[in-house]
Formats: sequence, structure tokens, C-alpha cells
Amino acid sequence: SYVLTQPPSVSVAPGQTARITCGGNNIGSKSVHWYQQKPGQAPVLVVYDDSDRPSGIPERFSGSNSGNTATLTISRVEAGDEADYYCQVWDSSSDHNYVFGTGTKVTVL
Amino acid sequence: EVQLVESGGGLVQPGRSLRLSCAASGFTFDDYAMHWVRQAPGKGLEWVSGISWNSGSIGYADSVKGRFTISRDNAKNSLYLQMNSLRAEDTALYYCAKDMGLHLGELSPGSYMDVWGKGTTVTVSS
Repeated sequence: SYVLTQPPSVSVAPGQTARITCGGNNIGSKSVHWYQQKPGQAPVLVVYDDSDRPSGIPERFSGSNSGNTATLTISRVEAGDEADYYCQVWDSSSDHNYVFGTGTKVTVL
Repeated sequence: EVQLVESGGGLVQPGRSLRLSCAASGFTFDDYAMHWVRQAPGKGLEWVSGISWNSGSIGYADSVKGRFTISRDNAKNSLYLQMNSLRAEDTALYYCAKDMGLHLGELSPGSYMDVWGKGTTVTVSS
């Protein structure tokens, strides 16, 4: 089955840039989506189709995808961005298989 | 306002059954595929099952295949998950999620979950 690997944690100071990676075999050929989950809350979609943002998501959230790595970038990080972040793809090697990454805890110092 | 509200969770003994429900509102339910996603305590997200708009296409994670059954009633704007032969490792918060993708209503490459409910907790323990 397809595996998506994320760093367990990323720490960043307020106002700086956080980059969260999502590694997978030839992930650049897939559409990658990103979710933010704050403690005790349901996930929220923050980026879809590699780099598009749903309405209401700040421009500070952006995404890219190439080769074996997709990246979610959070610019000008704020305290409210502290959360777990998950990448997700659809895996064509299995029948109707939606795969989530291992998750990354973003800590704002 | 688009809303998904899950119900039916609870404490159940290993080997028993439970049926989860998800009530949808604020959108045309039968235009969209739907999913169940779960999260074990302190763990990450795991896709459980998905169903197309007309129930013509259904998928399951290997971990639940043969034990769980997803279904929907478009007339009632509701999604269901019948869980049989429950195991301790099925203990989790179960989310209902609305699908969005290039092929509206279908389980298809590139689709994702754009709206989530708050979840219902399932605890499997003797």
C-alpha cells in the first residue's frame, strides 16, 4: 500500500515560515491535499489539489508538489496555526484507497 | 450552512455490532460522495470507507473490509456505517466527511474531504 511520510514535529517562531513535508513514491504525479486539526476539533481542509486554497483559508497557507515530496508552507506563522497537519492522496494502486500521511505537529514557539 | 452530525457511538464489547449515522444538511446530499474517517486516541487520521452518490461505488480500508458496511439514504440525507465483529483496535473517533473532487459524486482520483462533522466516539472494550 502507498505510504505518506511526514516529520512528527516542526517548531517555528511567530512571524517565521513553517514548511511541512509529505514524502511518497512519485507523489508529484498525484493530487495532494492538506488538513489542519487543532486539539479537540475536526480536521479542516487548508489546501487541495497541491496548491489551491478553500475560501476562508488565509493566503499564508500554500502548497507545492514535485518528485517524491509535497510541501505545505505556512508564512508569517501565528499562534493560532499551532495544530496537527495531515497530507492526503488517492492511491491508484488500490481500489478506492484514500491515504493520509502520518501527521505533523506544528508548535509555535 | 453545510453541516454533518454524527451519532450512534458508544461503548461496545468486542465481537458486537454498532451502527453509526451521519445527518447531512445545507447541501444537495445526493450530489456528493461521502466518507467515514476515524482517529484512534492520540493517533492520526485513517480513511475507513467511502461511497459514491448513488451507492454504485464503494470502498473500504483493508482493516475493516468484510466487517464494516457503508450505506446511504439520499431521501433522508443520511450516511451510515454498520460495524460488525468489533475489535479493540476499532476504538476511535469516527468522522463523517463530504467528498469533493473533479468527478462530482464519485470516488475518484484526486478527490478530498472538504467538510467534516465533529465525530462520534466508539469504544470497544469488555
